[in-house]
Amino acid sequence: KNQVEQSPQSLIILEGKNCTLQCNYTVSPFSNLRWYKQDTGRGPVSLTIMTFSENTKSNGRYTATLDADTKQSSLHITASQLSDSASYICVVSADDSNYQLIWGAGTKLIIKP
Amino acid sequence: EPEVTQTPSHQVTQMGQEVILRCVPISNHLYFYWYRQILGQKVEFLVSFYNNEISEKSEIFDDQFSVERPDGSNFTLKIRSTKLEDSAMYFCASSELAPSSYNEQFFGPGTRLTVL
Repeated sequence: KNQVEQSPQSLIILEGKNCTLQCNYTVSPFSNLRWYKQDTGRGPVSLTIMTFSENTKSNGRYTATLDADTKQSSLHITASQLSDSASYICVVSADDSNYQLIWGAGTKLIIKP
Repeated sequence: EPEVTQTPSHQVTQMGQEVILRCVPISNHLYFYWYRQILGQKVEFLVSFYNNEISEKSEIFDDQFSVERPDGSNFTLKIRSTKLEDSAMYFCASSELAPSSYNEQFFGPGTRLTVL
């Protein structure tokens, strides 16, 4: 069964610190992996999209990695800011006729001053 | 920067009533989607729409739901005979291209539906 699991479920860090969020997936055949940021009560906003041939991708202070062999991805946030407080959702697209998106439950990140 | 808009931001309705949620996708986008997110749970796919017809739908999208593009700009989700369990945040999304490896979907801010 296609699944996306994220850890930790929630994380609290101090402003200025770095953190890494994890995503494991069992999606086959694999097409791409996306990280979204979702502020409370808002729609998800895309941070990165990676295909199997891409190992790392950056978007400002956000760096995503992908290991297609172990089916793992991570999202590293550098020098966290209060505005980084949000849920971060890992989404994997299956390489089927509809490129169905399989959503993780998200990691709720809280940045404290 | 173009964005997906949704109205209303919050809809309260009585159980059994019909509601219509409205979305204005990004103007040059051709593919439209509805998702829902029950409080504290994962985002769930409902339906995708292209060329005035449904291209894909999930098990959730049963006869209670329907979608329509009534004019050149709006994309609506109708929920008939609402149930308590329909209470959720409903997100509209659009994309320029067909679902593919690098197709990016842009999400609206959502409509919070509360069924009493």
